Amino acid sequence: LAKTTQPISMDSYEGQEVNITCSHNNIATNDYITWYQQFPSQGPRFIIQGYKTKVTNEVASLFIPADRKSSTLSLPRVSLSDTAVYYCLVGPYQTGANNLFFGTGTRLTVIP
Amino acid sequence: ETGVTQTPRHLVMGMTNKKSLKCEQHLGHNAMYWYKQSAKKPLELMFVYNFKEQTENNSVPSRFSPECPNSSHLFLHLHTLQPEDSALYLCASSQDAGSSTDTQYFGPGTRLTVL
Repeated sequence: LAKTTQPISMDSYEGQEVNITCSHNNIATNDYITWYQQFPSQGPRFIIQGYKTKVTNEVASLFIPADRKSSTLSLPRVSLSDTAVYYCLVGPYQTGANNLFFGTGTRLTVIP
Repeated sequence: ETGVTQTPRHLVMGMTNKKSLKCEQHLGHNAMYWYKQSAKKPLELMFVYNFKEQTENNSVPSRFSPECPNSSHLFLHLHTLQPEDSALYLCASSQDAGSSTDTQYFGPGTRLTVL
């Protein structure tokens, strides 16, 4: 599985756009990029997944450059309830195993 | 509400006790997982079951014993645990265990304290 590197923590004020970047220099051709969110004392929750270029859903956008060696999760106009740990994961499609490696994630703190 | 429930939510046990954690998923999924999350550490995958068969055991000590009687239920039997086993134990499910791109749905976890 490709190793990922992301900032340990970030702070942001309410209403701002937050961009969390993840590096995955060893990403393989059949790897997808997935982001999960975890609130304190809860299990992680899927946010978004992509392979290349840009993916957007009702929660976030995911930007993936052409070389796919990094990706950026963009959260528009964050609120206090977006305070959580965000995990970037890279894993292949259909290899016979679903063994995601979560890493330590990025702890986002939204400040009033 | 993710469709994955775990009981109990909190558990305190002594090192000589035997207890079990229960997980149930109402999503019609075929794969279920146990994870351990200790303070300041990444999530650690413990066990994977696909169609009731164990497909992964990440070198977990034998004092943790999983059981998957059907695709909807998963248990983690605990005995003679150590204080360092205190952690949040998370259960998850996915449609199947054949792809890392399959979304995993997590339960709320059981906060375990071993005295």
